[in-house]
Amino acid sequence: GQNIDQPTEMTATEGAIVQINCTYQTSGFNGLFWYQQHAGEAPTFLSYNVLDGLEEKGRFSSFLSRSKGYSYLLLKELQMKDSASYLCAVREGFQKLVFGTGTRLLVSP
Amino acid sequence: DTAVSQTPKYLVTQMGNDKSIKCEQNLGHDTMYWYKQDSKKFLKIMFSYNNKELIINETVPNRFSPKSPDKAHLNLHINSLELGDSAVYFCASSLKGGKETQYFGPGTRLLVL
Repeated sequence: GQNIDQPTEMTATEGAIVQINCTYQTSGFNGLFWYQQHAGEAPTFLSYNVLDGLEEKGRFSSFLSRSKGYSYLLLKELQMKDSASYLCAVREGFQKLVFGTGTRLLVSP
Repeated sequence: DTAVSQTPKYLVTQMGNDKSIKCEQNLGHDTMYWYKQDSKKFLKIMFSYNNKELIINETVPNRFSPKSPDKAHLNLHINSLELGDSAVYFCASSLKGGKETQYFGPGTRLLVL
């Protein structure tokens, strides 16, 4: 089975940088996803890592260390609209995604 | 618009009733999913279908029965609704296998009274 841990809540200031960590224990690993979910809306895809290292996509970057069972999502130049929940999900096999409980990020002015 | 769509968006019903939620995707994907997101926002997979074939069934009560008439549709029928079924149900779709991303529908908010 899978055990995926994320902090429950984080706060940050507009313009700052925030790092959201995710640790996982898995019996089978086939990639790690980060999703963003605004209140009352559907999760939307942010990033995907399957190999170790950093993937950068605009203001968002995601890092993976498979040996440590660890990933983080880095958000730069925070904007108010970045206030949302961020979900870490590990793929088990080809299609099954197992989600963490999510990190609620509050960005203040 | 290319998307994953679900109906209804809101569903309020009494305990013991039977209800269905419909999902359609026009993204040309092979695989569709149902997820349940509880009050603590924990998102958990329930079922997955690939080209109308059930491939994931996650210890969900028998009261839940998915049906896929074709690869663009995946419906969820729930019998004898219980209070604990209250949640947001998300449909998602993806291409088969590999690193393919799952795209989520807008969700159906089910409240059982």
